[in-house]
Amino acid sequence: GQNIDQPTEMTATEGAIVQINCTYQTSGFNGLFWYQQHAGEAPTFLSYNVLDGLEEKGRFSSFLSRSKGYSYLLLKELQMKDSASYLCAVRYTGRRALTFGSGTRLQVQP
Amino acid sequence: EAQVTQNPRYLITVTGKKLTVTCSQNMNHEYMSWYRQDPGLGLRQIYYSMNVEVTDKGDVPEGYKVSRKEKRNFPLILESPSPNQTSLYFCASTSGPGTEAFFGQGTRLTVV
Repeated sequence: GQNIDQPTEMTATEGAIVQINCTYQTSGFNGLFWYQQHAGEAPTFLSYNVLDGLEEKGRFSSFLSRSKGYSYLLLKELQMKDSASYLCAVRYTGRRALTFGSGTRLQVQP
Repeated sequence: EAQVTQNPRYLITVTGKKLTVTCSQNMNHEYMSWYRQDPGLGLRQIYYSMNVEVTDKGDVPEGYKVSRKEKRNFPLILESPSPNQTSLYFCASTSGPGTEAFFGQGTRLTVV
């Protein structure tokens, strides 16, 4: 199989930094996406990593280590509106469907 | 504005009554997909289309049909819905396999 593992829930404080991890099976790996999904809404694209290293986009950064089958999404200066689910999705060679993790529900508290 | 539009947003129906969920995109994307989202299972792809008249099964195609007669439209058809198809459905489009997907607003379907 091609399981994607992420924590189910996380809680953090407004203004803080939080790291959401994602692990995946490395065989056939061909790119990793992070999406944000507010309750009842559509997922929206955050980042795409296909090479090792850190990609930074404002308050959000995403890191990838292909050899370890590991990625994380880093959210800085947390705001209440960042309360949402964060979905990790991997593209595998030969598969047309992205493989999504179950998502990490982040609760930002005052 | 670039968008993917699904209709209806909410639907309650009875077992066996055929239904269609429409999806339309205005970005001239070639690739379109249908997903279902269930608690604890994440998003799972139902069907996929690479272009007009080209469709392929995803991970959970049983009980669903699709068609792609025009580039912009990709309807999802449930010929005989069953309660296990109660779910949140998303249509998505992309310009290519390694590019970001744009998702529709979702259709919450309940089959009783």
